[in-house]
Amino acid sequence: RKEVEQDPGPFNVPEGATVAFNCTYSNSASQSFFWYRQDCRKEPKLLMSVYSSGNEDGRFTAQLNRASQYISLLIRDSKLSDSATYLCVVPADRGSTLGRLYFGRGTQLTVWP
Amino acid sequence: DAGVIQSPRHEVTEMGQEVTLRCKPISGHNSLFWYRQTMMRGLELLIYFNNNVPIDDSGMPEDRFSAKMPNASFSTLKIQPSEPRDSAVYFCASSKEAGVGGANVLTFGAGSRLTVL
Repeated sequence: RKEVEQDPGPFNVPEGATVAFNCTYSNSASQSFFWYRQDCRKEPKLLMSVYSSGNEDGRFTAQLNRASQYISLLIRDSKLSDSATYLCVVPADRGSTLGRLYFGRGTQLTVWP
Repeated sequence: DAGVIQSPRHEVTEMGQEVTLRCKPISGHNSLFWYRQTMMRGLELLIYFNNNVPIDDSGMPEDRFSAKMPNASFSTLKIQPSEPRDSAVYFCASSKEAGVGGANVLTFGAGSRLTVL
């Protein structure tokens, strides 16, 4: 099993829709997780950190299910500007504060008017 | 803050030539990461440094790739000789050392798009 797996999409939704992406990870010891956003031909940028069971930031909600080892990202009231690729990120457990991060291949979202 | 600065932004070279990519991390960040991104393989970690010391270079594809970090404000990734399959976007990222139990939050540079003909 890969360290982190995502549905590549693409997801094509109309403005105002609610859309959810899932991501599964293999390392049950991972403590913190991230969602990054990458616009076309740009660098990835941090969207949300995910700790504990999850957190919310405006229209974005990230949830963590440790038992099933998956993370989800929910976007409500989609905007055209939400069109991007969303990368799920899981740290490798090295028993240290430092270490490699595993990036998923990303889920592509297109929001149409 | 100028963010993570990478150069060149684009490079087109011929097979066999040496390529040097440069990165200036954010001041105060003590970890630096080199990633490669392709359509086929996504984002792959090549190597990362902590306090200028290489910690994990297991992602470096082969001996043609080398990376250095001579000081806290500069790093290079060198490919010699380059091959067409090295064509990709190379990202540099930096982070502060996370607290206990935490993990790195990365800030990426804009990337260096390499094309090897």
